[in-house]
Amino acid sequence: KAGVTQTPRYLIKTRGQQVTLSCSPISGHRSVSWYQQTPGQGLQFLFEYFSETQRNKGNFPGRFSGRQFSNSRSEMNVSTLELGDSALYLCASSLPWTASSGNTIYFGEGSWLTVV
Amino acid sequence: DQQVKQNSPSLSVQEGRISILNCDYTNSMFDYFLWYKKYPAEGPTFLISISSIKDKNEDGRFTVFLNKSAKHLSLHIVPSQPGDSAVYFCAAALGGSARQLTFGSGTQLTVLP
Repeated sequence: KAGVTQTPRYLIKTRGQQVTLSCSPISGHRSVSWYQQTPGQGLQFLFEYFSETQRNKGNFPGRFSGRQFSNSRSEMNVSTLELGDSALYLCASSLPWTASSGNTIYFGEGSWLTVV
Repeated sequence: DQQVKQNSPSLSVQEGRISILNCDYTNSMFDYFLWYKKYPAEGPTFLISISSIKDKNEDGRFTVFLNKSAKHLSLHIVPSQPGDSAVYFCAAALGGSARQLTFGSGTQLTVLP
């Protein structure tokens, strides 16, 4: 069974540019969430999508946005990149909550963004 | 305000012995807890989870204990193996359908051969 797939794995962008990252969830998973990992702030929640609707949003500026498609694939976009946006961006997917699956969330390998 | 805390940045254990990683939380609304293992520049790998209605969950060498009154959970790894060396994160989730995890800062576990 394929895991969560993220593309691209590594990318370098210049300040002021924008970037789009892509995520394909595990087959059957309809919830997709995004996290940012930096050395200073650790792992922080960005937002979560379910059935093409944003359900939750973390404490990030409006430059960070996302969307989910009807096949559950998701993209996140960061506009007007700043040096501080350099981070590992992680996508995660999960099944709808049940007593047995709980809130188990599976992560992809991440997209490593460097802003110069 | 850190709602999930891992107060030990690092832990070293001899191979074959028990590793105990600790995690404290402050939000009593958290009702599901997970442990992840992570290598640099890779995504977290799910290890084990526990619902707040339980106080223990076991899966192979991994056991998670939850003490709700103390708002404390721990991950026990027995026996520890050199391949277990990684950063371990605990994470907490609120009840219901939300899929938002709040992570601790991680503990670097080193298992010495």
